[in-house]
Amino acid sequence: VQLQESGPGLVKPSETLSLTCTVSGDSLSGHFWSWIRQPPGKTLEWLGVVNDRSSDYSPSMQTRLTISSDASKNQFSLHLNSVTAADTALYFCARTTVGGHHDSWGQGILVTVSS
Amino acid sequence: DVLMTQSPLSLPVTYGESASMSCRSTESLLYSDGNHYMDWYLQKPGQSPQLLVYFASSRASGVSDRFNGSGAGTDFTLTIREVEAEDVGIYYCMQSLYTPYTFGQGTKLEIK
Repeated sequence: VQLQESGPGLVKPSETLSLTCTVSGDSLSGHFWSWIRQPPGKTLEWLGVVNDRSSDYSPSMQTRLTISSDASKNQFSLHLNSVTAADTALYFCARTTVGGHHDSWGQGILVTVSS
Repeated sequence: DVLMTQSPLSLPVTYGESASMSCRSTESLLYSDGNHYMDWYLQKPGQSPQLLVYFASSRASGVSDRFNGSGAGTDFTLTIREVEAEDVGIYYCMQSLYTPYTFGQGTKLEIK
């Protein structure tokens, strides 16, 4: 399985960050799919997960974050609104097993929030 | 949130020697199915993280048997036997029993 993140590398403060993860070599159906980010020089932060039926978010992101999936395109997406400089990070998409571990990762996409 | 604390933060090791690092959680990671929902990941320089160990002690597909995860409850250890150059990077533990899933701050393994 391969995952590839895509989207803008630069977003203005207060705007919405939108990223897409395209999955190849596996079907979205029957699996869980996560977004994880890593601010420069810092540790990893799990943002949320989506599957066929539902999504679950980190409470700290819940008011600003939406994760959705499109089985017809074999893609899932992240939409984070009202971004600030604190949202500047390397964003990864990952396949997540029922056991909660992330067994396949995208290469990551660096998103900078700046005017 | 469950806090994951790793030690040491920096681990200098000589080629061929063993390395050991620790991860401690603020809550027990044992679930009723008998599994500990604790994973180890390695992020090599310039790369995305890769899964090494899941359920505290199960090696992921393709991972060398030089990597051994152990522990129970709230205390876990990753041991690397005969360290090689390709093992350099930052090792993260992560718990997936409680949402939000949380990662430790990482242990940076470097060669002396």
